[in-house]
Amino acid sequence: GEDVEQSLFLSVREGDSSVINCTYTDSSSTYLYWYKQEPGAGLQLLTYIFSNMDMKQDQRLTVLLNKKDKHLSLRIADTQTGDSAIYFCAEIPSSGGYNKLIFGAGTRLAVHP
Amino acid sequence: GAVVSQHPSWVICKSGTSVKIECRSLDFQATTMFWYRQFPKQSLMLMATSNEGSKATYEQGVEKDKFLINHASLTLSTLTVTSAHPEDSSFYICSVFPGGFGNTIYFGEGSWLTVV
Repeated sequence: GEDVEQSLFLSVREGDSSVINCTYTDSSSTYLYWYKQEPGAGLQLLTYIFSNMDMKQDQRLTVLLNKKDKHLSLRIADTQTGDSAIYFCAEIPSSGGYNKLIFGAGTRLAVHP
Repeated sequence: GAVVSQHPSWVICKSGTSVKIECRSLDFQATTMFWYRQFPKQSLMLMATSNEGSKATYEQGVEKDKFLINHASLTLSTLTVTSAHPEDSSFYICSVFPGGFGNTIYFGEGSWLTVV
């Protein structure tokens, strides 16, 4: 079946790096996404990675994909208080067409001074 | 600027009434839109796929007679929560995929529904 799992909570100190992990079950997933949701707000796309890539870097964000282990991670360098939010990973499963997203439960990132 | 617009952002309605939420694709035509629901402290769950000019496709467990979806044009899909009850209070968000390889999925701002 289709399932995406994430740890629910992460606390880091301002200036440190944050690593949010995600595992998924559909080995045929084509795209994997990271979304950010701030309190009371909608979803903001942070980045996405195509399944034939191992890594993607975008400014402070680094996405690592291990297809063998079906593991996806998001690293945020120099984490700031403005990064406090819920981070969702999502996949497009092979069974759902190319634009139906399956989300993880979300990881709540808390950044403290 | 925004690619997908939702309205209203916040709505409070009385139990037993119906409420309509609009999702507009601003930059491109969308034959397919998606409606998600998020309960507090939970993840987003796909409710239904809205198809322009035809019936929506509902996910398992979602009542099609309660959550009416209309996709009458290539830029507008509406979700109507009929006979709303407090347990329908949730965050409803739509998404649009513009198509084509390498494109991403865009989400609306979301609509907070509170049924009192």
